Amino acid sequence: NAGVMQNPRHLVRRRGQEARLRCSPMKGHSHVYWYRQLPEEGLKFMVYLQKENIIDESGMPKERFSAEFPKEGPSILRIQQVVRGDSAAYFCASSPSAGDEQYFGPGTRLTVT
Amino acid sequence: AQRVTQPEKLLSVFKGAPVELKCNYSYSGSPELFWYVQYSRQRLQLLLRHISRESIKGFTADLNKGETSFHLKKPFAQEEDSAMYYCALSGLSGSRLTFGEGTQLTVNP
Repeated sequence: NAGVMQNPRHLVRRRGQEARLRCSPMKGHSHVYWYRQLPEEGLKFMVYLQKENIIDESGMPKERFSAEFPKEGPSILRIQQVVRGDSAAYFCASSPSAGDEQYFGPGTRLTVT
Repeated sequence: AQRVTQPEKLLSVFKGAPVELKCNYSYSGSPELFWYVQYSRQRLQLLLRHISRESIKGFTADLNKGETSFHLKKPFAQEEDSAMYYCALSGLSGSRLTFGEGTQLTVNP
């Protein structure tokens, strides 16, 4: 089992562009979580998804951010019209079911110039 | 609201010395508490969770509901314990994790 995969590992975007971050959960895991880590801060929960459903998006900014976890393929975190304040490390985690141990990916480091 | 506080950003001890990483939390119900560790250039991984009551790599943590604390302890620190440690909390839903800001532990030879 390759573990949670995230790509790209590093992403550079200019202000106003779109950023797409991908997360492939571990085999057999149908629950995906996205966290953001701003510089010098801890991880902050963003969104929790199951296949084709958003379960909890209480940590997502109201504008420009969206997430999906389609029936086939990876989970996608999309940030439209990026701003400098979006620069952060974005981590994805997966679990086989709610309440189980969450396994983390290596993260995607987004830099907005 | 859920909140996790790790008062020490940096902690440095000598090899063989005891180490305690502090974690306090606030939560209105019965939380589940975790310690995650991130070694240099590796991904975040679960170290231990309070419900399992296991000792991992010599580390233990006891949930003290009266003091709302979940401090991580090890009697004799090793150099390979040097890492970033995060305390985390999960509520009733058993899903989202609330993390503290982390403590960077350095064990000196």
